[in-house]
Amino acid sequence: SQQGEEDPQALSIQEGENATMNCSYKTSINNLQWYRQNSGRGLVHLILIRSNEREKHSGRLRVTLDTSKKSSSLLITASRAADTASYFCATDAGNMLTFGGGTRLMVKP
Amino acid sequence: NAGVTQTPKFQVLKTGQSMTLQCAQDMNHNSMYWYRQDPGMGLRLIYYSASEGTTDKGEVPNGYNVSRLNKREFSLRLESAAPSQTSVYFCASGGPGGYQPQHFGDGTRLSIL
Repeated sequence: SQQGEEDPQALSIQEGENATMNCSYKTSINNLQWYRQNSGRGLVHLILIRSNEREKHSGRLRVTLDTSKKSSSLLITASRAADTASYFCATDAGNMLTFGGGTRLMVKP
Repeated sequence: NAGVTQTPKFQVLKTGQSMTLQCAQDMNHNSMYWYRQDPGMGLRLIYYSASEGTTDKGEVPNGYNVSRLNKREFSLRLESAAPSQTSVYFCASGGPGGYQPQHFGDGTRLSIL
């Protein structure tokens, strides 16, 4: 079974709009990570947020973490067509990561 | 700097055949991992190796074996392939412990007929 569950499963927006993806998990974690996967490629790490952090920014990415609700969100601002990809959250509870099912984002030019 | 390299990129097998998927990393990471990804789903951990000389089962280890050949190389073997093992297999290195991200190869697309 997967620790993280992303919502929505699929998201379609216009270029320039913001995209928000949510992740819920079940057990206590050390940190939570977000990865991107372009079609036919491996996963690429985007951002890591520790369990004692509430918000983190990296360029156009903003990640929040609410450990009391066991949830996280990834916001991509001013989206571009190149942001079209699948996005996965992954929780680190010890010596391995557990991935969610992903959100497929399509950004239309 | 190649990162994580997987070979082969594509493979078609018949049921019952065996094969080994190869993975090598050049980032001097202690930890390495094998995942499978089925259509429309996230990654599920098959096996991992926290350091040279150690391996542990992940979520879906049945039907697979692994070898941590040295610090750089971590191979995944299917002894008797089954259609249910048709998937995309990803190798990764780095990761948990020290709050470091994992680095992934581009995958091996395996079809078992």
